[in-house]
Amino acid sequence: DAGVIQSPRHEVTEMGQEVTLRCKPISGHDYLFWYRQTMMRGLELLIYFNNNVPIDDSGMPEDRFSAKMPNASFSTLKIQPSEPRDSAVYFCASSLMETQYFGPGTRLLVL
Amino acid sequence: KQEVTQIPAALSVPEGENLVLNCSFTDSAIYNLQWFRQDPGKGLTSLLLIQSSQREQTSGRLNASLDKSSGRSTLYIAASQPGDSATYLCAVRNFNKFYFGSGTKLNVKP
Repeated sequence: DAGVIQSPRHEVTEMGQEVTLRCKPISGHDYLFWYRQTMMRGLELLIYFNNNVPIDDSGMPEDRFSAKMPNASFSTLKIQPSEPRDSAVYFCASSLMETQYFGPGTRLLVL
Repeated sequence: KQEVTQIPAALSVPEGENLVLNCSFTDSAIYNLQWFRQDPGKGLTSLLLIQSSQREQTSGRLNASLDKSSGRSTLYIAASQPGDSATYLCAVRNFNKFYFGSGTKLNVKP
């Protein structure tokens, strides 16, 4: 398997623009997680899904953030409108039987 | 709310030394605990997963222990190598919540 795939790997955008991050989990995995990592706040869990259903979205910082998982092989994290403080590395991870497998991350810079 | 702490934040050791990384948590009602490794600019790689009913897990030169009553876990690395240099994070699951420590940055000097 190719592992968890994330796109784009790097994104530079201007404040106020919409940003969409994409994730393809490992085939057969039933959990999908979205994380954000910054130097100041470390690794934060934003939201996770089980069998495409959101289980816990308490980590989503505000209404500007939304996540969807329309099917077992695809998920998106959208930020609209983006702000400079959203600059971070966003990771997607998937799991089966508890062990989480992380993607390479999307490095987002909002100017 | 669960608090996960890793001390020290950074550690530098000579090659060949055995070492212990620490992880503490405030709520002992955990479902499992996981140790990860993160290389610079990369995602996390799972090293060991310990279920709440287990006391330890081993993989090669790595051994992780869990003491729920005291809220502690340790990751023991035997005969450290420069390739072990990375940031090590622990993560705790409480029912449907996941909490990560801030990590220990390990540097193994040749």
